[in-house]
Amino acid sequence: AQKITQTQPGMFVQEKEAVTLDCTYDTSDPSYGLFWYKQPSSGEMIFLIYQGSYDQQNATEGRYSLNFQKARKSANLVISASQLGDSAMYFCAMREMYSSASKIIFGSGTRLSIRP
Amino acid sequence: GAGVSQSPSNKVTEKGKDVELRCDPISGHTALYWYRQSLGQGLEFLIYFQGNSAPDKSGLPSDRFSAERTGGSVSTLTIQRTQQEDSAVYLCASSLGLAGVEQYFGPGTRLTVT
Repeated sequence: AQKITQTQPGMFVQEKEAVTLDCTYDTSDPSYGLFWYKQPSSGEMIFLIYQGSYDQQNATEGRYSLNFQKARKSANLVISASQLGDSAMYFCAMREMYSSASKIIFGSGTRLSIRP
Repeated sequence: GAGVSQSPSNKVTEKGKDVELRCDPISGHTALYWYRQSLGQGLEFLIYFQGNSAPDKSGLPSDRFSAERTGGSVSTLTIQRTQQEDSAVYLCASSLGLAGVEQYFGPGTRLTVT
């Protein structure tokens, strides 16, 4: 069964520092996709980055990069040069492409707080 | 263009009443998802629609929950005989089918059952 684990309920980081948000997953499906979403206090869900299980390179989108370690089943989000506006909840999510292609499951989230 | 819209934004109802939540996806998006987010929790998948295919209802928590999508566009999530544990934010998202990696989320409907 697919499962997403985020072990950091909350993190505090100094502005301009880099931060890594942990995510591990479990799946028996050989093809899957991994996502990160940001949810500010306003409640909207904002797509950040996507990594396919067969992608050879780690995904990057501006200050966001995904540290994909397939053998360890981890998909950590790295935010470089953090900004005050990065304070939000961050969710890791996964979709299995074969066994349950429609369903995307989410982790419990990490609340990131950036200190000025 | 317009994003995903949901209505109402807030709904307070009495225990035992039925409620209907509406989602208008982005035009042209064939995939539509409903999720539930309880306070301080992650998103719980409820149901998925893709074009004219039979919906994936595997996430619906009980038979009090149902959803339909008319004309491949607007979707309505119905909760019958609401219970206090149904209180949550109900989020809708749409995407360009399975090939569309990114899901676009609506602002959600905050449901409070008293």
